[in-house]
Amino acid sequence: AQKVTQAQTEISVVEKEDVTLDCVYETRDTTYYLFWYKQPPSGELVFLIRRNSFDEQNEISGRYSWNFQKSTSSFNFTITASQVVDSAVYFCALSFFSGGSNYKLTFGKGTLLTVNP
Amino acid sequence: DAGVIQSPRHEVTEMGQEVTLRCKPISGHNSLFWYRQTMMRGLELLIYFNNNVPIDDSGMPEDRFSAKMPNASFSTLKIQPSEPRDSAVYFCASRQGLSYEQYFGPGTRLTVT
Repeated sequence: AQKVTQAQTEISVVEKEDVTLDCVYETRDTTYYLFWYKQPPSGELVFLIRRNSFDEQNEISGRYSWNFQKSTSSFNFTITASQVVDSAVYFCALSFFSGGSNYKLTFGKGTLLTVNP
Repeated sequence: DAGVIQSPRHEVTEMGQEVTLRCKPISGHNSLFWYRQTMMRGLELLIYFNNNVPIDDSGMPEDRFSAKMPNASFSTLKIQPSEPRDSAVYFCASRQGLSYEQYFGPGTRLTVT
């Protein structure tokens, strides 16, 4: 069975602060995909990143960066110099890499990030 | 490019009425998913289609729920009869191939009174 834990239910920061959202996962598979999605107050789910389990290189996209550590089963997401528009619920998700079940996304419960001006 | 399109965006109906939610996946995507999101249960996969064929409907709550995908560009999720506990946000998502991320539509907020 797969499981994703986002221990931080809510985080509140002041604009321009850096913030890290934690994601810890459990899986018996040696290969898998990890994802982050953003759900702003408007309600849609926005895809942010997909990472293969065999690629542990960290990724940076503008103010966003992701730290994947297979040894600790973590895939953390950092927003640098946060902005009010970053306020949203962020979901971490996990799927099988291949085979007939790789369509199943296991989502964490989400972290509500509030960035105050 | 247009993303996943869902209609209606909001639906308010009375208990016992039939509700039909619609989805147009991203062109070229061959997998389609219906999800339900509630505060209590989070995001739940209801049904998964691949090449218009239902592959996994184990998440469909009960016989009141049905989904169809008559062609590659259209899918419906029907609830008949609707009940207050069906109130939720219903998302449609699509994916290209077997190894790609899912792209979600804006969702339909359903309220059953």
